[in-house]
Amino acid sequence: NAGVTQTPKFRVLKTGQSMTLLCAQDMNHEYMYWYRQDPGMGLRLIHYSVGEGTTAKGEVPDGYNVSRLKKQNFLLGLESAAPSQTSVYFCASTSRLAGAYEQYFGPGTRLTVT
Amino acid sequence: AQSVAQPEDQVNVAEGNPLTVKCTYSVSGNPYLFWYVQYPNRGLQFLLKYITGDNLVKGSYGFEAEFNKSQTSFHLKKPSALVSDSALYFCAVRGAYEKLTFGTGTRLTIIP
Repeated sequence: NAGVTQTPKFRVLKTGQSMTLLCAQDMNHEYMYWYRQDPGMGLRLIHYSVGEGTTAKGEVPDGYNVSRLKKQNFLLGLESAAPSQTSVYFCASTSRLAGAYEQYFGPGTRLTVT
Repeated sequence: AQSVAQPEDQVNVAEGNPLTVKCTYSVSGNPYLFWYVQYPNRGLQFLLKYITGDNLVKGSYGFEAEFNKSQTSFHLKKPSALVSDSALYFCAVRGAYEKLTFGTGTRLTIIP
């Protein structure tokens, strides 16, 4: 099993450009999450999904959109990138089965917006 | 709103000495608490969790954590530090739909 994978690993954007980050998991998990990590701020939840076709806002959703068309994939979109979105983005997933709890994280995408 | 606090940005420990990384929490109801570790240029890895039961929880790589309800703390501990334990450590609390609220992280450096 590959676990959680993220594409791309690195990206540099100019202000105003758009891009999509792809997260894929092969563990048949129902729940998926997008976080951003910034120095001194820990990880903050951007959006999450509790199942195929459903998404919800997290703590810092502004400037981002998401889609979960397939159970195994969770896409994060930036429609008009801003320098404040320079960050490392992590995708995670977990099962909704009772007692699961642990989230599995991808390796991250380092995004720089100039 | 629930939250966790990690009061130390940086902890330095000599190799072979015991280590403690501190975490305090604020939640309504019973807390579900976690520790994750992040090595350079990697994603987060699960170390251990407290759900209920014994206040001393054992996890991966020889780490353990002590849950203290009266002090609302969940400190991470290891009896003898290794250089390979040097990493960034995050405490987290579980919310609805298994969402995690993370602390700001503590960078642990083990000095040979």
